[in-house]
Amino acid sequence: GESVGLHLPTLSVQEGDNSIINCAYSNSASDYFIWYKQESGKGPQFIIDIRSNMDKRQGQRVTVLLNKTVKHLSLQIAATQPGDSAVYFCPRRAGSYQLTFGKGTKLSVIP
Amino acid sequence: DAGVIQSPRHEVTEMGQEVTLRCKPISGHNSLFWYRQTMMRGLELLIYFNNNVPIDDSGMPEDRFSAKMPNASFSTLKIQPSEPRDSAVYFCASSLPGLYYEQFFGPGTRLTVL
Repeated sequence: GESVGLHLPTLSVQEGDNSIINCAYSNSASDYFIWYKQESGKGPQFIIDIRSNMDKRQGQRVTVLLNKTVKHLSLQIAATQPGDSAVYFCPRRAGSYQLTFGKGTKLSVIP
Repeated sequence: DAGVIQSPRHEVTEMGQEVTLRCKPISGHNSLFWYRQTMMRGLELLIYFNNNVPIDDSGMPEDRFSAKMPNASFSTLKIQPSEPRDSAVYFCASSLPGLYYEQFFGPGTRLTVL
């Protein structure tokens, strides 16, 4: 069946360095892929999405890379800041409205 | 925009008591979702409303859980009777028509059942 797999359940990064959070997916039929962020004590927050016909999409300090050949998705954060400390999810689409979040990857930024 | 509003933010109750969680979605959003988050199970979808109508309640754990959306600006999640295993953070989220993948989450209600 489908699965949402995160390569690194925890990630520690020095402030100012770049962060890379990885996500493997198994559903090749997805038309787009999504990243969410959840800071401590808050609800998840949509960050960015990428359509399946794209390889790369950039936002503010974030870049999403999609490699359909190996079914790999990554979120890159440039110049990581303490405010980036959070749990990051790449939820799987399930049907026409459902997102399956999985447990996420925790990013800790070391000052 | 105030975002999704949830109340109460914290609730401590005793086993067997009725608990009602409240949510006000963002104005103009026609989809509303209730989630539950625990360390063991992560974030789980409980129920999904579209245009105030419950579309999918397959995630509701038991008959003790019920949800309503009497109008576009208000929804409730009720647990009766509550049990210690219901302790979790409950989130409400809403989204624009056709953009369900971009959900706006409320701050959550942390429920503790003693």
